[in-house]
Amino acid sequence: EIVLTQSPGTLSLSPGERATLSCRASQSVASYLAWYQQKPGQAPRLLIYGASSRATGIPDRFSGSGSGTDFTLTISRLEPEDFAVYYCQQYGSSSYTFGQGTNLEIK
Amino acid sequence: EVQLVESGGGLVQPGGSLRLSCAASGFTFSSFWMHWVRQAPGKGLVWVSRINSDGSSTTYADSVKGRFTISRDNAKNTLYLQMNSLRVEDTAVYYCARGGNHFDSWGQGTLVTVSS
Repeated sequence: EIVLTQSPGTLSLSPGERATLSCRASQSVASYLAWYQQKPGQAPRLLIYGASSRATGIPDRFSGSGSGTDFTLTISRLEPEDFAVYYCQQYGSSSYTFGQGTNLEIK
Repeated sequence: EVQLVESGGGLVQPGGSLRLSCAASGFTFSSFWMHWVRQAPGKGLVWVSRINSDGSSTTYADSVKGRFTISRDNAKNTLYLQMNSLRVEDTAVYYCARGGNHFDSWGQGTLVTVSS
């Protein structure tokens, strides 16, 4: 099973700052990597798929990069509504795994 | 608008069974792979199972293999998860989600609590 490790576990930033979230895979997942945002009491929302393609309706302050084993989600300028938990997810060999999540909190 | 609405959750004793349903609307259900993903209270997301568009192929996480069965009725636009031999560690919110390599639409989830 491919393990995804997200870092940091918690990221404390202020609105307007830039956020950089990392996701590392235990083996190559090519570009089969997605990012989700989840707010308390809500279902996850797809942000990025294919490592770097924004999902429908996602603001362009969200961007994804990387391939193989190292991936990054960048939020260029944080808005108040961006503070949430973020998960990466991979698909490979008919199995899917999620990272443990990064909690993006207001500083 | 894509809508996925789960139902069937509740309180069940260890060793018991439950069947979850996910009613889909707003898209051509029979064209999409579907999944179940769960989230234990205060924990992260865990993929459970997936089924292809015509129901001929299914895959399961090791933790549920042999106990859970995913199925679909394309005529009723509904996805199912039959859960048998439930364990305390199966307690979670269960989400249905649409997609192939990633999950582009999610339901609101249904809570399953396994407790004596």
